[in-house]
Amino acid sequence: QVQLQESGPGLVKPSETLSLTCTVSGGSISSYYWSWIRQPPGKGLEWIGYIYYSGSTNYNPSLKSRVTISVDTSKNQFSLKLSSVTAADTAVYYCAGELMATIYYWGQGTLVTVSS
Amino acid sequence: QSALTQPASVSGSPGQSITISCTGTSSDVGSYNLVSWYQQHPGKAPKLMIYEVSKRPSGVSNRFSGSKSGNTASLTISGLQAEDEADYYCCSYAGSSTLVFGTGTKVTVL
Repeated sequence: QVQLQESGPGLVKPSETLSLTCTVSGGSISSYYWSWIRQPPGKGLEWIGYIYYSGSTNYNPSLKSRVTISVDTSKNQFSLKLSSVTAADTAVYYCAGELMATIYYWGQGTLVTVSS
Repeated sequence: QSALTQPASVSGSPGQSITISCTGTSSDVGSYNLVSWYQQHPGKAPKLMIYEVSKRPSGVSNRFSGSKSGNTASLTISGLQAEDEADYYCCSYAGSSTLVFGTGTKVTVL
């Protein structure tokens, strides 16, 4: 059974870069597309983007200019960087395993607050 | 890429059936049989309930079913139980390798 665990700072200052890492265990990193999804407090889900183990990526057009997703297959990890953050980027960030537009596996989520 | 439209809330009594709609456009829901549904309890990660419009993952109760007509997908919960009280989100492939989620529906069991 695939398990995902997010890690990274829970507090980021405005205008800085948010960085999170997801560690994949219990399965091959080559089996799924690895995604980031976020959920602002009290609001709905937003798909951020995905990466395949080969390194190919695709991003939500609304965030594309600020997002970078990368993968480290040797560590079974993938990462998210979101630049120039504002309070609107405060959210629970989930890493997830996706296939055929279906999110099969979710991490537990990590709250990132943007505040000075 | 706009969020798919769901009713903010739906309620029903135990044992009843409820249906949650998910309305998109011809660029997402209407063009692909790649709609999924997720259940989210407070403070928890979402859980996959339905994929590819009407398929149920192993372990999900057969009280949950999905369908699609035109630009609108639907999730039906039959024999409503207290444990079904949660938020539900639809999600669709939106072309160009992107996904779009619905606005979310709070299900209340009366």
